[in-house]
Amino acid sequence: ETGVTQTPRHLVMGMTNKKSLKCEQHLGHNAMYWYKQSAKKPLELMFVYNFKEQTENNSVPSRFSPECPNSSHLFLHLHTLQPEDSALYLCASSQVHLAGYEQYFGPGTRLTVT
Amino acid sequence: DAKTTQPPSMDCAEGRAANLPCNHSTISGNEYVYWYRQIHSQGPQYIIHGLKNNETNEMASLIITEDRKSSTLILPHATLRDTAVYYCIVRVVRSNFGNEKLTFGTGTRLTIIP
Repeated sequence: ETGVTQTPRHLVMGMTNKKSLKCEQHLGHNAMYWYKQSAKKPLELMFVYNFKEQTENNSVPSRFSPECPNSSHLFLHLHTLQPEDSALYLCASSQVHLAGYEQYFGPGTRLTVT
Repeated sequence: DAKTTQPPSMDCAEGRAANLPCNHSTISGNEYVYWYRQIHSQGPQYIIHGLKNNETNEMASLIITEDRKSSTLILPHATLRDTAVYYCIVRVVRSNFGNEKLTFGTGTRLTIIP
């Protein structure tokens, strides 16, 4: 596997379900991110982890719970979601350094909440 | 981070150069210009970034005006696979491991015409 992978690619869940999204990066990066992309809206940053420590929570509701057990893996735990949470959830990683850096994105998980 | 302005959509003939403009008139001296693109329902892909000088890589060229208030992304020989939404982002690159977020706008939807 290379780059950033995300599983599952598609997920349909009810409002009372609990599910988790998984992201794995094979690039040796030290930062990982969760973004949300709703239909016809710009990407929104949700969470940032640097060296496994959460450095940003962009006012995300508590029904979204991130977990970063190590610098290669990132999870997004979902519970009691609402239909408006249906969106494409994107994971990204980067190697932070002084001269600038780029974020590498995974293919995303298309989430539908029924 | 400074705000950017991009045209909502553009067309370009296959094989021709695609020139995508971006205005960032409030850019600060320590802010970089980044370009990403997003092919339908995929994760964004990093293209190029720069600070003051023009930059070129295997994907594209980035031309930044001398006053840094605008830039142009050039795809020298556009193909059908270049059809995507292109995002221009300006951001500070910090020397610590603090706020490393990218703020995406609505971008330019580039359509390559056969």
